[in-house]
Amino acid sequence: AQSVTQPDIHITVSEGASLELRCNYSYGATPYLFWYVQSPGQGLQLLLKYFSGDTLVQGIKGFEAEFKRSQSSFNLRKPSVHWSDAAEYFCAVAVLILTGGGNKLTFGTGTQLKVEL
Amino acid sequence: EAGVAQSPRYKIIEKRQSVAFWCNPISGHATLYWYQQILGQGPKLLIQFQNNGVVDDSQLPKDRFSAERLKGVDSTLKIQPAKLEDSAVYLCASSRDRGDEQFFGPGTRLTVL
Repeated sequence: AQSVTQPDIHITVSEGASLELRCNYSYGATPYLFWYVQSPGQGLQLLLKYFSGDTLVQGIKGFEAEFKRSQSSFNLRKPSVHWSDAAEYFCAVAVLILTGGGNKLTFGTGTQLKVEL
Repeated sequence: EAGVAQSPRYKIIEKRQSVAFWCNPISGHATLYWYQQILGQGPKLLIQFQNNGVVDDSQLPKDRFSAERLKGVDSTLKIQPAKLEDSAVYLCASSRDRGDEQFFGPGTRLTVL
C-alpha cells in the first residue's frame, strides 16, 4: 500500500534562512507527488506538484521540490524563509483509483514550520 | 472565482448526537471529495464523488457516516451517531475532473464531547 512519511513533526528556522522539509514515499508505480500548505483555520493550498519530466519542480511562493526516485524522496526547499511561511506543510502522493477512475491523495502527517524573527 | 464553501465552520456536540456538514464546490467542478483530518495527522479521504455518483468510499465508516451529492453540486456529510473519535476537521475539496488539482475549503472543526 502507498504511504508518505514526513519525519520532522516540527521545524524552527530563522527568517531569511534556508529551509528543507523532508518527504519519503512508498508506491509501486510512478508517483504523482504534491506539497500542500495549511495555515491556521484555512484549507490546504497546493504549493507544487510533480507528474513527470524535470525532477526539479518550481512552485508558488518561492518554493521548489526535487524528486529523487533512487531515494523515494520529494523534499521541499526554499532559499530564504519569510515569517509568513509559518504554517503546516503536507506531502502527498496520488494513487490511481482502478474501479472508478481518477486518483486519490494519501497525505503524510505534516511538518509544522515555525519562523523565528 | 469563488472557492469551496463549507458550513458550519465549528460544531460542538455530545457523543451519540447527529451532525451534518455542508459543502458547495467551485462552480463547474465535477469531482467532490470529503476528507477527515484528525489532530496531528494528515487528511484522510472519506469519499469521492464524480458528479452525483460515488467513485470511492472505501474509507468511509458506513455504519455511522453517510454522504450525498444529489444534484451533482452541493454535498452533505452526516455522522449518526457521533463518537468521541470523530473529533476532527472535515475538509471538502473539489476538482474540475478526476485527476485534476484539488481545491480545498476551510473545513469544519467538529468536537465531540
